[in-house]
Amino acid sequence: QQPVQSPQAVILREGEDAVINCSSSKALYSVHWYRQKHGEAPVFLMILLKGGEQKGHEKISASFNEKKQQSSLYLTASQLSYSGTYFCGTLDNYGQNFVFGPGTRLSVLP
Amino acid sequence: NAGVMQNPRHLVRRRGQEARLRCSPVKGHSHVYWYRQLPEEGLKFMVYLQKENIIDESGMPKERFSAEFPKEGPSILRIQQVVRGDSAAYFCASSQLPGGGNNEQFFGPGTRLTVL
Repeated sequence: QQPVQSPQAVILREGEDAVINCSSSKALYSVHWYRQKHGEAPVFLMILLKGGEQKGHEKISASFNEKKQQSSLYLTASQLSYSGTYFCGTLDNYGQNFVFGPGTRLSVLP
Repeated sequence: NAGVMQNPRHLVRRRGQEARLRCSPVKGHSHVYWYRQLPEEGLKFMVYLQKENIIDESGMPKERFSAEFPKEGPSILRIQQVVRGDSAAYFCASSQLPGGGNNEQFFGPGTRLTVL
């Protein structure tokens, strides 16, 4: 079952902060975050694992609340290059059914 | 270091023809995933393959679609008797270890299929 992402879209000015949320109705083993720019391939940002381990870029931060089956991606002091669509992907607790959310479109304006 | 390669980048087919999409994973990666993306929509999982094995094809239509990842050569996504609804971008991703767990997937540039 596809995770839910919110907001669907957000517009920021350069330097502002944003939070993108991802929630699932099922128990999760891991949450992945990817960013896709228009006409390009998705690019890996971060993986958050059950138990607290994280793998990803230093400038990107995220949280994973296992009990609530939710993850949030924190974008601080946004830059123009942050513009794109952000997808979360979730893997259930059985290690199966990896599925992407519908995406959150982020636009950073000068 | 070559990333994931996909070809062709653009493919135009008429209704009823066959489409063959190729994906060469990152060197050393033995796990391949195919996704379909409609314009302005998210990535829909289609199939997960390891060398010579289909691990999960739950996202692939039962008819007209097939995928393989032979011992030698690229992974192939094959669409027979294409219809206009097949028009989409098809992305391939690879991972060194089973992705979706604690391993990232590396995406190729995609093949944009247009069915006339």
